[in-house]
This record gives sequence, C-alpha cells and structure tokens, in this order.
Amino acid sequence: DGGITQSPKYLFRKEGQNVTLSCEQNLNHDAMYWYRQDPGQGLRLIYYSQIVNDFQKGDIAEGYSVSREKKESFPLTVTSAQKNPTAFYLCASFDRGRTEAFFGQGTRLTVV
Amino acid sequence: GQSLEQPSEVTAVEGAIVQINCTYQTSGFYGLSWYQQHDGGAPTFLSYNALDGLEETGRFSSFLSRSDSYGYLLLQELQMKDSASYFCAVRGSGANNLFFGTGTRLTVIP
Repeated sequence: DGGITQSPKYLFRKEGQNVTLSCEQNLNHDAMYWYRQDPGQGLRLIYYSQIVNDFQKGDIAEGYSVSREKKESFPLTVTSAQKNPTAFYLCASFDRGRTEAFFGQGTRLTVV
Repeated sequence: GQSLEQPSEVTAVEGAIVQINCTYQTSGFYGLSWYQQHDGGAPTFLSYNALDGLEETGRFSSFLSRSDSYGYLLLQELQMKDSASYFCAVRGSGANNLFFGTGTRLTVIP
C-alpha cells in the first residue's frame, strides 16, 4: 500500500544536540513538506520541496535544515540553533495533479 | 504571502449542523482544502474546492467564493466522533505550495 512514513514516533533530544526526523513516501509525489504543530495550534510550514535537489524555506525555517536527495525521502534535522524544538512534527506529500495532501503519523519531539 | 483565518473554537450539539468559516489572502490561488485532525493524529483530507460553489461528500459539504476569498465547511448530523480540529488550506502561487489555517477546534456535546 502506498503511503508516507515518519520515524521515530517519539524522540527525545538533549540540549545542544542535533536530531534528524525521517520522512519516506512511496506515492511518487514530487512535493513534500514539513510542518510544526504546537499544542492547540495550527500547522506552521518549516520547509518544502517541489522537486529533488531543491527545497524552500517556509515561515519558521530558522534552526532547521532539510535535504532532498531522493524523491522518496525528505529528512528534517532539528539543530541546536532551534531553541524551542519541543513540538509535534508532521511530514506531508502532495501530487501536483491532485488535490489531496497525505500526512505521516507525526514525530513528537521532546527536549530533555 | 499567505494568511488564513478561522474561528479558534466551535461547540455544537450532537445531531445538529455546524459551519466553520475560512477567509484567506494569497498571491495566486489554485484551491481551498479542508482537513480533519483528531488529537495526536495526522490530518486527513476532507474536501477540495477549486471553483465557486458547494461540494458535497456525505455529511460534509464545502463551499467556496473566490470573489470573497471565503469558504466554509458544513458538517451535518453531527456525531460525537466529529469532535476534532478542522483546518482550511490553500494552494497558492507556485502550484505546489500548501498553507494551512490555524484550525478550528470543534467540540460536539450530547
């Protein structure tokens, strides 16, 4: 079955540590997105990529980095420069010719 | 840039009808989507409007007026399981840009 997979589901980060969140899709979608969601809040766009080897900053890119070396994969690194990283992170993919975005089940990141 | 506005909270009675509004500003517009998210879960797609008018999918309907930059989601015959957050989203300039509103938390009460 086609879908989008995020891992891990829960992640704990120590102060000053970089962590990488995985996002893989087998839907053959060109566009992929990373969103951050804080409790009771909406989805804020971190980065998006419309094609392999290209990505764009969203509204809250500071302290985050991404890569898009393969169509299927769009990993997000939360760097030590992100001072308040505790949040729920959602990855999504989208096909230009369709209307529906598909989401992974999310990664809940906590700073300890 | 893009901006979307939705009410933050709505409460309705089981069996009733509720309307969740969304106004948007965007440079370039391809369509307005609606997503449902239960607590701790991933958003799931509900509906999409590219043209003016009403789209109906079972108990859910979505409306769009491009001239007013406005849309709404209409939920009929509310059930307790409809308690969730509902997000509107716009596809803006760049074709694959997808931006979400801040979400409306719907609480259905008996």
